[in-house]
Amino acid sequence: NAGVTQTPKFQVLKTGQSMTLQCAQDMNHEYMSWYRQDPGMGLRLIHYSVGAGITDQGEVPNGYNVSRSTTEDFPLRLLSAAPSQTSVYFCASSYRALDTQYFGPGTRLTVL
Amino acid sequence: SQQGEEDPQALSIQEGENATMNCSYKTSINNLQWYRQNSGRGLVHLILIRSNEREKHSRRLRVTLDTSKKSSSLLITASRAADTASYFCATDLNSGYSTLTFGKGTMLLVSP
Repeated sequence: NAGVTQTPKFQVLKTGQSMTLQCAQDMNHEYMSWYRQDPGMGLRLIHYSVGAGITDQGEVPNGYNVSRSTTEDFPLRLLSAAPSQTSVYFCASSYRALDTQYFGPGTRLTVL
Repeated sequence: SQQGEEDPQALSIQEGENATMNCSYKTSINNLQWYRQNSGRGLVHLILIRSNEREKHSRRLRVTLDTSKKSSSLLITASRAADTASYFCATDLNSGYSTLTFGKGTMLLVSP
């Protein structure tokens, strides 16, 4: 199993550009989530999904959209990138919401 | 606001010594989890302790949970340089929400 994969590993955007961060898992996990990690702030939940077709907002959802059309994929869309979205983004998955989380390797995003 | 907070923020020890880090939380929980993050990598699950458990062991790790004090501790015995990483606790809210909240982490440096 590949586990949780994320692409790209690194990305530089200009303010106002949009992009999609990809996340996929091959463990048939129902629960998937997106976090951002900033220095001194720990991990903050952006959006999460408890199954295909079901998504909900986390602590810091503004400026981000998600969808869950399949069990395997959970893309995160930045609608209009802002410098405040410069961060490292992690995708995670688990069988159920509060089980052991399996994290992807992260995407380091810089918005200029 | 953070549900879980680790203490200390940073810890520096010599190889062979024990390392203890603590996590305090604010509301009742179903379970508490500890994760490790090596620099630039995704988080890796270490151990999960349920609210009805007081202590769990896994190899050189010992986790305790005191629900009356709303606190947990992670002890790493006989530390190695390879244990150098950041350690995070994650808690749920035991209120029907399907999310985990991570603390800001303890950065552990183990010197040879």
